Amino acid sequence: DAKTTQPTSMDCAEGRAANLPCNHSTISGNEYVYWYRQIHSQGPQYIIHGLKNNETNEMASLIITEDRKSSTLILPHATLRDTAVYYCIVRVVTGANSKLTFGKGITLSVRP
Amino acid sequence: EAGVAQSPRYKIIEKRQSVAFWCNPISGHATLYWYQQILGQGPKLLIQFQNNGVVDDSQLPKDRFSAERLKGVDSTLKIQPAKLEDSAVYLCASSFTGTGGEKLFFGSGTQLSVL
Repeated sequence: DAKTTQPTSMDCAEGRAANLPCNHSTISGNEYVYWYRQIHSQGPQYIIHGLKNNETNEMASLIITEDRKSSTLILPHATLRDTAVYYCIVRVVTGANSKLTFGKGITLSVRP
Repeated sequence: EAGVAQSPRYKIIEKRQSVAFWCNPISGHATLYWYQQILGQGPKLLIQFQNNGVVDDSQLPKDRFSAERLKGVDSTLKIQPAKLEDSAVYLCASSFTGTGGEKLFFGSGTQLSVL
């Protein structure tokens, strides 16, 4: 079972920042927070992941609260191509049998 | 670098028929996953291979689904016989070692329609 909760959907204007929230109140100390997205008719695409510290890469920023019970994915300048389903996932750090378990995700719609 | 390759892209069959899907992971990736994604839901893990051994097949309906990765590279997923509820996108993914700090790379999937 997915261990995260996300809103069903949200929208934002093109060029503005999109802030996607995720609740993972039961996260363990040995679990990462991962974000993937899935554009229509494609497989999921990795965005970013983090353990405790905030992370930034060329696609997005991940802000994890100090207690690690929630996080926010930030797309700094959303474009129409960012319209997709975004999945927030917690994943055990160690071991080869480390599942990536998807929930329903949040549908982000970027409007012109 | 080449991504995860899957074929066919689309498949339409009648119930009780058999079907097979093929996946070629990224070169050098030891771990291979098959996911099933029903319309409107997130992907669900069916089976995970580490090289040519099965690590997790707890959610694979073994009465009708089978998968193999004989040489630790390519993999096939088979359904025999198919049911209407098997209509879904079947996604293959791979990662370097399968440990928790890695990215999974996904293929575009095979969309199966069972009539």
